[in-house]
Amino acid sequence: QIQLVQSGAEVKKPGASVRVSCKASGYTFASYVINWVRQAPGQGLEWMGRMSAHNGHTAYAEKMQGRFTMTADTSTSTAYMELRSLRSDDTAMYFCARGYGAGSGPYFDYWGQGTLLTVSS
Amino acid sequence: QSVLTQPPSVSGAPGQSVTISCTGSSSNIGAGYHVHWYQQLPGSVPKLLIYGNTNRPSGVPDRFSGSKSGTSASLAITGLQAEDEADYYCQSHDSSLSAVFGGGTKLTVL
Repeated sequence: QIQLVQSGAEVKKPGASVRVSCKASGYTFASYVINWVRQAPGQGLEWMGRMSAHNGHTAYAEKMQGRFTMTADTSTSTAYMELRSLRSDDTAMYFCARGYGAGSGPYFDYWGQGTLLTVSS
Repeated sequence: QSVLTQPPSVSGAPGQSVTISCTGSSSNIGAGYHVHWYQQLPGSVPKLLIYGNTNRPSGVPDRFSGSKSGTSASLAITGLQAEDEADYYCQSHDSSLSAVFGGGTKLTVL
């Protein structure tokens, strides 16, 4: 079965960086796009960006450009996100999600379990 | 402020029907991009509920249906059940091909 398994919870200080992994299984990793979505406590879903596991092409939400980087290792079917210069308002649950479909707008059919990032001094 | 606008909350009694709206603009829903819906049960991961405006993934009951018209979309839930109590999010794309979400609607089953 298709699974996305994310790395564990992180606690970071303001100004630090964090790297979260998302290991895919049950499908051909390189054939799909991985998206990153975050959800602050008690808030809604916020799309951060997507990366094609096939060719490495990325698209970032305007708000996330500059501090956020996505990478992928096709040899281990693992996607990574890195967020730098962390601030308290980066405290959130971070999800990876597989993108399916194209053309008129893909949807997110499988989601990781989430990684809780807490930024606190 | 979310790009797509949803009512913060809706409610209904068991067995009743509710509709959740999702209003966008000419640069997203109105530009022809599909609308998708997700259900997030308390403390859980979002789950795909409706894709491509009207389609249900395997396993989603036919009590859930989606529609789209112009710059808006709707999610209808009939025969409300206690286990439907959750947050519901609409999602589409904008002209820059960035994904956009609604702010979410909390459904309370009375």
